[in-house]
Amino acid sequence: ILNVEQSPQSLHVQEGDSTNFTCSFPSSNFYALHWYRWETAKSPEALFVMTLNGDEKKKGRISATLNTKEGYSYLYIKGSQPEDSATYLCAFGRRETSGSRLTFGEGTQLTVNP
Amino acid sequence: DAGVIQSPRHEVTEMGQEVTLRCKPISGHDYLFWYRQTMMRGLELLIYFNNNVPIDDSGMPEDRFSAKMPNASFSTLKIQPSEPRDSAVYFCASSGPTGYSYNEQFFGPGTRLTVL
Repeated sequence: ILNVEQSPQSLHVQEGDSTNFTCSFPSSNFYALHWYRWETAKSPEALFVMTLNGDEKKKGRISATLNTKEGYSYLYIKGSQPEDSATYLCAFGRRETSGSRLTFGEGTQLTVNP
Repeated sequence: DAGVIQSPRHEVTEMGQEVTLRCKPISGHDYLFWYRQTMMRGLELLIYFNNNVPIDDSGMPEDRFSAKMPNASFSTLKIQPSEPRDSAVYFCASSGPTGYSYNEQFFGPGTRLTVL
C-alpha cells in the first residue's frame, strides 16, 4: 500500500495571510512529486513537478520544496487571495513505473476569505 | 491543442442501464488514465494504458466496469449494468512519453455521472 498523506485536510485563512501545507510520501522508490491545483467544478491542473532532493519551485506567490530523504514536500502560498481557494493535491510517482503512474493524496482544501 | 476531451460532460441514467464514457487524449501522449472522484475516496485511479495497452486495471471496482483504447486517440470506460453507487465524476487524463515533463498529467473536464 502506497500512502501519500496531506495535511491539513482543510484550511480557512483570511485574504493576505500566508499559508503552507504538507505532503508526505514514501522516501524509497522515489521518481517525482507533483502538486496540482483543483478548483471547484474544474479539473486538476499541474502546478509543479519536482524530482531532486532540495528542489524548490516557484510560480508567482506559490512555491514548493522537496525533501526526498525524509519523504515530504511543502507548498507555500504567500499573501493568499480569494482566487487561491481550491483543493491542492500532491501526487507521488515511483521509480518502478518510471513515474508514469501517480498516487494522489486526498488534498488540502484551502478557503481564502475576503 | 484542445487538451483532453471527454464526453458527455453530464450523464443521468437509470440503474441497470449501460453507460459509456469517452475520452480523447492530447495528441502525442502515450499514457491515458481513468480516475473516479468520490467524496469518500478522493481521486481514485481505475485503469491506465500505455500505447493503447492496459497496464494496470487493479483499480477497476468490479466486472461491471470495462475500459478499452482501440487507438491512440480514443478510449472508453463502460459500466454495465450501472448502479447508484457508481455516481461520481469520472476524469480522463493523459501524459507524454515516459520521463517527458516527468509525466505531468493533463486532465479532461470530467464526466459527472448520476445513476438513479
